[in-house]
Amino acid sequence: GENVEQHPSTLSVQEGDSAVIKCTYSDSASNYFPWYKQELGKRPQLIIDIRSNVGEKKDQRIAVTLNKTAKHFSLHITETQPEDSAVYFCAASKRGAQKLVFGQGTRLTINP
Amino acid sequence: EAGVAQSPRYKIIEKRQSVAFWCNPISGHATLYWYQQILGQGPKLLIQFQNNGVVDDSQLPKDRFSAERLKGVDSTLKIQPAKLEDSAVYLCASSLDNIRNEQYFGPGTRLTVT
Repeated sequence: GENVEQHPSTLSVQEGDSAVIKCTYSDSASNYFPWYKQELGKRPQLIIDIRSNVGEKKDQRIAVTLNKTAKHFSLHITETQPEDSAVYFCAASKRGAQKLVFGQGTRLTINP
Repeated sequence: EAGVAQSPRYKIIEKRQSVAFWCNPISGHATLYWYQQILGQGPKLLIQFQNNGVVDDSQLPKDRFSAERLKGVDSTLKIQPAKLEDSAVYLCASSLDNIRNEQYFGPGTRLTVT
């Protein structure tokens, strides 16, 4: 079945700098790649997603890139702010099966 | 638009006891998912419903876990009997249909088994 690997497990950046989180997936049939932000004790929140027919998607300070050939996708956060501190999860799902397979998560800390 | 609702938010039980969780998805969402999130890990799918039918329950420990969505709206997840390793947050999510897969999560139920 699908396997999603996420790196790094923890990431600390200075406020205003950029943060990048990377994920790889194993199943070439996967075609949907969402990113979730989870604050302590809260629900995972969908922040951005990308489908396999595009290579990049941007929404204000966050962007996601997808490389289908290499089977990896990345989350980019620019001009980081303290409220960006959270655990971020990538996930993948494939045609015909909507279940999301999640990565292990990245704890992002923004230092003021 | 109201989000996914879950109850209870917290539950503490002893091992071998039973427990049930309830989920009400976003209005109009046909697909409902139950995920288990162990501390420090990503959510793992337990069961997926499309309307009132089961689509995927391959990772549901069927000897102790059961779930139903009788009228295609609300859903309940039950554990009987509970084990220590069932301590986790149980998240319910829903999506509009089986084509667009944006999944929206409820607040979860934190289960502690002692």
